Amino acid sequence: SAVISQKPSRDICQRGTSLTIQCQVDSQVTMMFWYRQQPGQSLTLIATANQGSEATYESGFVIDKFPISRPNLTFSTLTVSNMSPEDSSIYLCSVRDGGNSPLHFGNGTRLTVT
Amino acid sequence: QKEVEQDPGPLSVPEGAIVSLNCTYSNSAFQYFMWYRQYSRKGPELLMYTYSSGNKEDGRFTAQVDKSSKYISLFIRDSQPSDSATYLCAMTLGGAGNMLTFGGGTRLMVKP
Repeated sequence: SAVISQKPSRDICQRGTSLTIQCQVDSQVTMMFWYRQQPGQSLTLIATANQGSEATYESGFVIDKFPISRPNLTFSTLTVSNMSPEDSSIYLCSVRDGGNSPLHFGNGTRLTVT
Repeated sequence: QKEVEQDPGPLSVPEGAIVSLNCTYSNSAFQYFMWYRQYSRKGPELLMYTYSSGNKEDGRFTAQVDKSSKYISLFIRDSQPSDSATYLCAMTLGGAGNMLTFGGGTRLMVKP
């Protein structure tokens, strides 16, 4: 399966600032997704990162808060904008290799907002 | 009511025990069923996935799906301390690579 690298692995940020998280895959993938895992919770889908077009956001998530880029088939970024302590979570990149294969996940970015 | 329900645990068992992890779901349209294992400070790792009702075995792991009851299970035989992790069930509408709906996860601790 594809190897997924996320940067940074963790960060502590001040409220009101923004952080951009990178997701790099070692091969071209058809689909890339961004998930959030709040402390002690399960995973919630933020958006589908579409190559060459705007991301598709799930209910409760908006582009102004979580802008996403996907310039090619191996790379995507998620920005968490104007952060507040409620944004403290693990943010996970997920990819589908191709065909009907299930999703694989990176190790996530652990974000703490103070 | 959540679409996918999973007992959060923690579930504590002695080494060598058989572990049963379960999820129930409400949407009969779910088609693919996955089990992910998540170690602390790591991303979820795919263990197994199944499509139809029935059993699927992989080494010490067996995944079971009962679509009529909307109930899925993961059995771990001869559990090891290295199996200590959070186990997440997930399911999709349509294809296996579609958006995942997760259960809340069950934390498992296997004691030596």
